[in-house]
Amino acid sequence: DTAVSQTPKYLVTQMGNDKSIKCEQNLGHDTMYWYKQDSKKFLKIMFSYNNKELIINETVPNRFSPKSPDKAHLNLHINSLELGDSAVYFCASSQDRWTEAFFGQGTRLTVV
Amino acid sequence: AQSVTQLDSQVPVFEEAPVELRCNYSSSVSVYLFWYVQYPNQGLQLLLKYLSGSTLVKGINGFEAEFNKSQTSFHLRKPSVHISDTAEYFCAVTPYSGAGSYQLTFGKGTKLSVIP
Repeated sequence: DTAVSQTPKYLVTQMGNDKSIKCEQNLGHDTMYWYKQDSKKFLKIMFSYNNKELIINETVPNRFSPKSPDKAHLNLHINSLELGDSAVYFCASSQDRWTEAFFGQGTRLTVV
Repeated sequence: AQSVTQLDSQVPVFEEAPVELRCNYSSSVSVYLFWYVQYPNQGLQLLLKYLSGSTLVKGINGFEAEFNKSQTSFHLRKPSVHISDTAEYFCAVTPYSGAGSYQLTFGKGTKLSVIP
């Protein structure tokens, strides 16, 4: 069983569209994250949730909205997609903020 | 705030040779340190971590790293690399406390290329 699973793995869409990426973890972890990896492989935190509560909301356009319906799920919705949103988005989870984070396989978003 | 500097963006090395990937960090508070590996088109996998105790930590796949507090470094080493070690390696830190501890701050990565 995949510990942290994201869907879809690839997403190609036109500018201006709205899209969602889903993330589920079956590890029983309390903390979940969204990271963005740009074309130069640089990873940066976007959001952190602990027990469904938003802890970190980095300087991310408000077109990005995370939603955590329960502790096992953290979805990312993106409105009005722009070319600059093209990147790989990683979901991750950890038991708490000090233990290792387990990463999903990533969602490669391409905006055309 | 924390920052992580990986001093080499690319490291080519011959198979069975030793390798060291360098990582320095900056933080006003104590931090935990991690090394992750990313194989092509995959997510990140933890290689090893330093939380406390012995400054020499051993990880998976024969990797080890040494924490040096005075030099704020956490260099990754392997005595003999294999072709399968070709990947991107990321050093990361998180502070002990505060809201900032709910995130990993990553370096820009080092691409290790093992040459047959």
